[in-house]
Amino acid sequence: EVVMTQSPATLSVSPGESATLSCRASQSISGNLAWYQQKPGQAPRVLIYGVSTRATDIPARFSGSGSGTEFTLTISSLQSEDFAIYYCQQCNNWPLCSFGQGTKLEIK
Amino acid sequence: QVQLQESGPGLVRPSQTLSLTCTVSGGSISSGGYYWSWIRQPAGKGLEWIGLIYTTGSTTYNPSLKSRVTMSIDTSKNQFSLRLASVTAADTAVYYCARDSISVVGGVVVAHFDYWGQGTLVTVSS
Repeated sequence: EVVMTQSPATLSVSPGESATLSCRASQSISGNLAWYQQKPGQAPRVLIYGVSTRATDIPARFSGSGSGTEFTLTISSLQSEDFAIYYCQQCNNWPLCSFGQGTKLEIK
Repeated sequence: QVQLQESGPGLVRPSQTLSLTCTVSGGSISSGGYYWSWIRQPAGKGLEWIGLIYTTGSTTYNPSLKSRVTMSIDTSKNQFSLRLASVTAADTAVYYCARDSISVVGGVVVAHFDYWGQGTLVTVSS
């Protein structure tokens, strides 16, 4: 079983600044890594898949990078609507998938 | 625009079976390249993938839930369903249905959940 560990648990950033969220896998997962955003009372929304491919209608300020076991979601020029919880997800042994525990991005 | 909608009882008694249905609109559940999953989220906690079904009826379940989970699909109704047996309070969660989209990125087959239902809260309590 691949365990995904996200850090930090909570990240406080001011609007207009950039945020860097990390996700570490317990073993190499090649390129099968996605990122989701979830706001209170809503279903998650996919932002990035395949490590760095932005999903449909996702703004360019969201970018993903990484390889092997270390992955990063970067959000540049934070907007008010970006403050939410972010989850990484791996499907290296598809269809067996698992999620990280989430990073809460809050306004500083 | 593909839409998914969960339906089913919001309250289930302990030791009973939880049953949910997901109705897909705006596209055929039989479309190739797509799979259909259930995911759950206890209040204030993270996401747990429960299982997946294909249009052929082929299934894969999370090993941690495999002994209690059954998924089925009805292509004539554009629906798929989840049954979780012998529930306890630990099964209380928001249950989501989602479409699992498979693609090739940089030569690697990757998967992501591109459409989700709004979620339905299921409480296990006597």
